[in-house]
Amino acid sequence: AQSVTQLDSQVPVFEEAPVELRCNYSSSVSVYLFWYVQYPNQGLQLLLKYLSGSTLVKGINGFEAEFNKSQTSFHLRKPSVHISDTAEYFCAVSDRTGGGNKLTFGTGTQLKVEL
Amino acid sequence: NAGVTQTPKFQVLKTGQSMTLQCAQDMNHNSMYWYRQDPGMGLRLIYYSASEGTTDKGEVPNGYNVSRLNKREFSLRLESAAPSQTSVYFCASSLGDSGYTFGSGTRLTVV
Repeated sequence: AQSVTQLDSQVPVFEEAPVELRCNYSSSVSVYLFWYVQYPNQGLQLLLKYLSGSTLVKGINGFEAEFNKSQTSFHLRKPSVHISDTAEYFCAVSDRTGGGNKLTFGTGTQLKVEL
Repeated sequence: NAGVTQTPKFQVLKTGQSMTLQCAQDMNHNSMYWYRQDPGMGLRLIYYSASEGTTDKGEVPNGYNVSRLNKREFSLRLESAAPSQTSVYFCASSLGDSGYTFGSGTRLTVV
């Protein structure tokens, strides 16, 4: 079974400051990794994904993430955040056993951007 | 292009009542999923359908049933609702490794 750990439940940051949201996973097989964002009272939107190739992945809204196989991590970063980035962020790992692309999600990190 | 449409958006049930949550996608995706979201627990998979005609249990299937009616539609049924099923329910669909497209959710309260 695969699992995802997001150690930080909340991350406060000032506008225009950099931010890193941490994600660690456990798996016995090769994985696909995803970051999703959820704005209040909405569904989740895909920010970025790692399937293969370059370990540095760029996504929408200026976010990027780096896949580190040795540390089993997939941390999300943004060099300068905006008020509109306030949302909940979920890391997820893909489990392709048994058909479909089942995702296992972390418990989420609430990013709060302050003026 | 509507994406994934869920109905209803809100629902209040009494304990023991039944209801069906509807989900439809118009992207010709093969796979569909039902998740529930609870505070501090992230999203947990209830059931999924890898392709039309197949369904499988996820992490938390007890108290739920599903039907993959056709390639577009995947419904979730609560036969006898319990307060522990108070949650926000999300339907999602996917094609290959493209990642999920989520619906906007159904907020269910069981009293």
